[in-house]
Amino acid sequence: DSGVTQTPKHLITATGQRVTLRCSPRSGDLSVYWYQQSLDQGLQFLIQYYNGEERAKGNILERFSAQQFPDLHSELNLSSLELGDSALYFCASSVAIPTGALTGELFFGEGSRLTVL
Amino acid sequence: AQKVTQAQTEISVVEKEDVTLDCVYETRDTTYYLFWYKQPPSGELVFLIRRNSFDEQNEISGRYSWNFQKSTSSFNFTITASQVVDSAVYFCALGGRDDKIIFGKGTRLHILP
Repeated sequence: DSGVTQTPKHLITATGQRVTLRCSPRSGDLSVYWYQQSLDQGLQFLIQYYNGEERAKGNILERFSAQQFPDLHSELNLSSLELGDSALYFCASSVAIPTGALTGELFFGEGSRLTVL
Repeated sequence: AQKVTQAQTEISVVEKEDVTLDCVYETRDTTYYLFWYKQPPSGELVFLIRRNSFDEQNEISGRYSWNFQKSTSSFNFTITASQVVDSAVYFCALGGRDDKIIFGKGTRLHILP
């Protein structure tokens, strides 16, 4: 158990819909990362938050947004869903100091598997 | 821009053989971090190792060993005497000053009994 909790584990929805994926980081971790893993694809970096602020952004679609709340949990919102958004979405947390230097490894949740029909 | 290349998409070896997974990276940062993660069929991502750019010592952990060579921008991973339980997708990753942790596309390793 990595200590990172993601809900829901599985989600099936229709094209055009909107979903929210939730992540609770390990106790004490201030950084949260979101990744997308599509079939036969590696892990695509989406976005990173540190202590409530957006720190780094990857190839995240405009239809996707995220935030990190004061209690440090994070949510990834996916809207106007398309078939191609079907993927496994991972959240990871880590300890990081304010300057951004990564002090440890990423601890990953079990992922949320999204299926868009 | 940072980039991680795992040229081997899929490898199959017979149990007890040694196997090396290649990882080549690109970065302009002088301080960076390299990682290896394992994703078994169950899907979770398991941390294996982290290496800082200023530490070029190779590391051995049981049957696992890592060869970090800054001169060739490579961070290769060797499994000695492979076992069926080693079957998984292995990811190499790179992190730098911009806080992005970029993963390679992974190498799917099949260990045949």
